[in-house]
Amino acid sequence: GENVEQHPSTLSVQEGDSAVIKCTYSDSASNYFPWYKQELGKRPQLIIDIRSNVGEKKDQRIAVTLNKTAKHFSLHITETQPEDSAVYFCAASINSGGSNYKLTFGKGTLLTVNP
Amino acid sequence: GAVVSQHPSRVICKSGTSVKIECRSLDFQATTMFWYRQFPKQSLMLMATSNEGSKATYEQGVEKDKFLINHASLTLSTLTVTSAHPEDSSFYICSASRPPGQGNSGELFFGEGSRLTVL
Repeated sequence: GENVEQHPSTLSVQEGDSAVIKCTYSDSASNYFPWYKQELGKRPQLIIDIRSNVGEKKDQRIAVTLNKTAKHFSLHITETQPEDSAVYFCAASINSGGSNYKLTFGKGTLLTVNP
Repeated sequence: GAVVSQHPSRVICKSGTSVKIECRSLDFQATTMFWYRQFPKQSLMLMATSNEGSKATYEQGVEKDKFLINHASLTLSTLTVTSAHPEDSSFYICSASRPPGQGNSGELFFGEGSRLTVL
């Protein structure tokens, strides 16, 4: 089955700096890569996702890059703010357009943005 | 956007009792729902895939007789933790995505989660 590795497990940055979280996956058939943000005691919320037919996607301060050859993808957060502090999870799945695909999650990165 | 609702958000029970957690899709019909378990400071581990009208598909290592899943309608899946023990204490969270033809973008929507504490 799919195996997703995520690094680092913790990341501390100063407000305004950039944060980068990296993930690798094992199944070359995976084609959908979402990133979720989870605040303490709350549900994960999708913040950005990318499909295997593109190499980069950006949404304001958040961007994701995908390297299919190397089977890794990264989350980039620029101009970090204290409210960005949370646990971030990457995930991978094979999405054939149906609704019965399943996500394999990385172990998460605890991001702390210091004021 | 799509909303998935889960109930109860917190439950405390005695060892040996059973606890039922409900997961509802509020604005779409979900033929498939997923149940995850999350220990403190750890990732989400898929327990099982709930299929409407058929048996759930369990991940390796998950006891199907202990974690009973019933997906009786297109908007409701339930997870029952039977004969609960303290080691079953965890955060249980369900998820679902829109089916094809109903604006499926691939996004998986999560319920609020249910924190189970077994005394």
